[in-house]
Amino acid sequence: QLQLEESGPGLVKPSETLSLTCTVSGGSISSANYYWGWIRQTPGKGLEWIADIYYSGRTFDNPSLKSRVTISIDTSKNQFSLKLSSVTAADTAVYYCASHNSGWYFDYWGLGTLVTVSS
Amino acid sequence: EMVMTQSPATLSVSPGERATLSCRASQTIIAGNLAWYQQKPGQAPRLLIYGASTRATGIPARFSGSGSGTEFTLTISNLQSEDFAVYYCQQYNNWPPWTFGQGTKVEIK
Repeated sequence: QLQLEESGPGLVKPSETLSLTCTVSGGSISSANYYWGWIRQTPGKGLEWIADIYYSGRTFDNPSLKSRVTISIDTSKNQFSLKLSSVTAADTAVYYCASHNSGWYFDYWGLGTLVTVSS
Repeated sequence: EMVMTQSPATLSVSPGERATLSCRASQTIIAGNLAWYQQKPGQAPRLLIYGASTRATGIPARFSGSGSGTEFTLTISNLQSEDFAVYYCQQYNNWPPWTFGQGTKVEIK
């Protein structure tokens, strides 16, 4: 069974770049069966999909984030990462990494990590 | 972007009773490309249903999903204490982006 775990700073200053990493265990991130994604959750906007990546490096992201998103994958470390640039207080959220397998629903989730944007 | 609207926002149900949760899509969803998740406080969402009606691995039979087009339903029969939580629907028919409903909280009556 897959396990995912997010890591990264819990506090980011406004206008800076948020960086998070998701470490996958119990399976290979290079599996052709999976896409890997990031979702965030806020009290105001609820659950919001951010971006997805395939082991080949193919990516998709949410147009609402206006190209502030960079998602990357490191198959040697079984990790994928998220960078969100020019953050504001509105980017304060719990960030989850998750997997898609055979369908575009999210079957495995990390525990989530709270990122606060504040000076 | 496809908007998902869940109702009611809060549902008060007694243990042992049935809960019926609704999810409406702003556009037609084909091939049942809809999922349901359960989220408890401090936890990540957990996949319950995909394909509108297929239970995920390990999900009890008291959880059932139905619907088509723009109207979908999650039914929880014989509510157990561990079922009191927030439930979300998610469409994966129209992309980008994948979108979620705002959630229905099932609370103890």
